[in-house]
Formats: sequence, C-alpha cells, structure tokens
Amino acid sequence: TQLLEQSPQFLSIQEGENLTVYCNSSSVFSSLQWYRQEPGEGPVLLVTVVTGGEVKKLKRLTFQFGDARKDSSLHITAAQPGDTGLYLCAGSFGNEKLTFGTGTRLTIIP
Amino acid sequence: KAGVTQTPRYLIKTRGQQVTLSCSPISGHRSVSWYQQTPGQGLQFLFEYFSETQRNKGNFPGRFSGRQFSNSRSEMNVSTLELGDSALYLCASSQRLAGTTDTQYFGPGTRLTVL
Repeated sequence: TQLLEQSPQFLSIQEGENLTVYCNSSSVFSSLQWYRQEPGEGPVLLVTVVTGGEVKKLKRLTFQFGDARKDSSLHITAAQPGDTGLYLCAGSFGNEKLTFGTGTRLTIIP
Repeated sequence: KAGVTQTPRYLIKTRGQQVTLSCSPISGHRSVSWYQQTPGQGLQFLFEYFSETQRNKGNFPGRFSGRQFSNSRSEMNVSTLELGDSALYLCASSQRLAGTTDTQYFGPGTRLTVL
C-alpha cells in the first residue's frame, strides 16, 4: 500500500506570511495532484504535475515535483485568508486509483 | 456543465440500519469513485465504477457496496451501520481517458451521522 505523508498536519500563520507544505512517499508517482477543500465542500483540483523537477505556478501558489517523483511541495506567498482550507496531495501510481495524502489544515489569520 | 451532485447532503441514521447515497457525475464522465473522509483517517478510497463495472476497490468491509447505472449515475449502500461509519462520503467523477492523467471532480459530499 502506497502512503503519502503530508507535513505539517496543521499550520496557522498570519496574513502576508509565506508557507510551504510537503507531500512525501516512499514510492514513485506517475503523477501527483494537489487539491484544496473548504468546509462543507468536496476537494477542488489545484494542479497536476507529471514530470520530475516540474514547477507550476498558480498566482501566489507554487507547486514543485521532486526530481525522483517521490515528493512534492506547495509554497504559498503572501498568504491571504481565502487560502484557508485543507490541502490534500494525491498520487497516482501507474493506472491505479488515486491515493490521497493525510492532509494539511491551513488557517490564515487576518 | 453542471458539477457532480450528491444526495442527500445530510443524513442521520441509527446503528443497524442501512443507507443508500446517490451520485450524479458530470455529463460525459464514465467513471465514478467513492471516498470516505473522517478526521482520523483522512480521505480513503472505497471503490470506483466505470461503465457499470467495479474497476477498483479499497479496503472496506463487504457492508459497503455500490453500483453504477447505464447513465453513469452511481449509488453507494452501507448495510448494518456502525457508529464508526459516521463520515463525509464523497463522490468524484472523471473521464478516465486512456493515456492521460485522471482528473477527478468531487461533489459536495453526504454527511452521514450514525447514532
């Protein structure tokens, strides 16, 4: 069973600060996705990365896929209250089902 | 396009009862996956249906079952409910195109409370 560990599990920071969330596995992903989930809603896809070393930017969010495709990070610059939510990474191993990470609950304090 | 819809949004049952949850995928999507989300275990995969056939199955007991209809709508059934079945049940649909990374679109979930 492939496991995805996310760290930190909880993060609470002031508006305007920067932060990084990590997603790690002992197995190689064929692709990795990041989702954000807000209370009362299902997760919403933010990005998909498929190539080792790939970097994708979505406004103030920067996603990086590790060279060995075993890890990924999400960096948020100048965090805003609207960034508050549960961030989930999800890895695909071959053509199998998505495996979700343990999640990082982020709170941005105005 | 309309998103994934799930009904009901909230449900309260007692131990021993059974429950059926419904999911309507995005038009054109043939794959429907079901997940259980709890604070302690996170998001756990239940099963996936594609063209009315179960394609993948997670590590859940046989009390959890599902099916998919010809119009891709899916139902999930839990029999003999236990207190530990209280959770948010999420449905996700995707196109499952060969050779491409699968992107799942989630519904808002059904919040099940077992008393």
